[in-house]
Amino acid sequence: DTGVSQDPRHKITKRGQNVTFRCDPISEHNRLYWYRQTLGQGPEFLTYFQNEAQLEKSRLLSDRFSAERPKGSFSTLEIQRTEQGDSAMYLCASRPSDRNILSTDTQYFGPGTRLTVL
Amino acid sequence: QQPVQSPQAVILREGEDAVINCSSSKALYSVHWYRQKHGEAPVFLMILLKGGEQKGHDKISASFNEKKQQSSLYLTASQLSYSGTYFCGTRSGGTSYGKLTFGQGTILTVHP
Repeated sequence: DTGVSQDPRHKITKRGQNVTFRCDPISEHNRLYWYRQTLGQGPEFLTYFQNEAQLEKSRLLSDRFSAERPKGSFSTLEIQRTEQGDSAMYLCASRPSDRNILSTDTQYFGPGTRLTVL
Repeated sequence: QQPVQSPQAVILREGEDAVINCSSSKALYSVHWYRQKHGEAPVFLMILLKGGEQKGHDKISASFNEKKQQSSLYLTASQLSYSGTYFCGTRSGGTSYGKLTFGQGTILTVHP
């Protein structure tokens, strides 16, 4: 399977702990997005990487959140000092970089990491 | 600003048709439709670029009215597998880096 993968699929943590999620995009997709989805809502944009550069961050991404994409391949999203309000599904999506406009605009989502903060 | 989807929920019998609408207050560059089943990732259905194109995918098609900033998803002869939550994601003209803004979703339930 060559789709977007995320790890772990589920994470339960206690308030105040730090958590880290990993996303492996589709091979050769140089664009990567993180979204957050709460129950009954659509995904909300968190941050965007083009290769290893983080080019855009949402206001939703407080200073407790940090994301990296070393070497432009996999990405990690870390949440420090988790709060109950951080409980959500964290989705990663990747997008290709070829010249076909329809292909380059399509984002493919991973299965997500469901975070529960107790 | 988040696009508005309507209706919020639809219940169908197998074989019936449905239309899901997505409306934005911003000028749109593209509209993306996804279907998400409970506990799973959103699955890409189709993308529509500005220009009023209508795309088709088996018995699922969509239209995009650029002037009204509206898109509609048409599901014909629904199948049980169509059940799920449908999201439209919009990309506004001039928005950097292609981030999508999603609607709140439309829950579609297809009964035998």
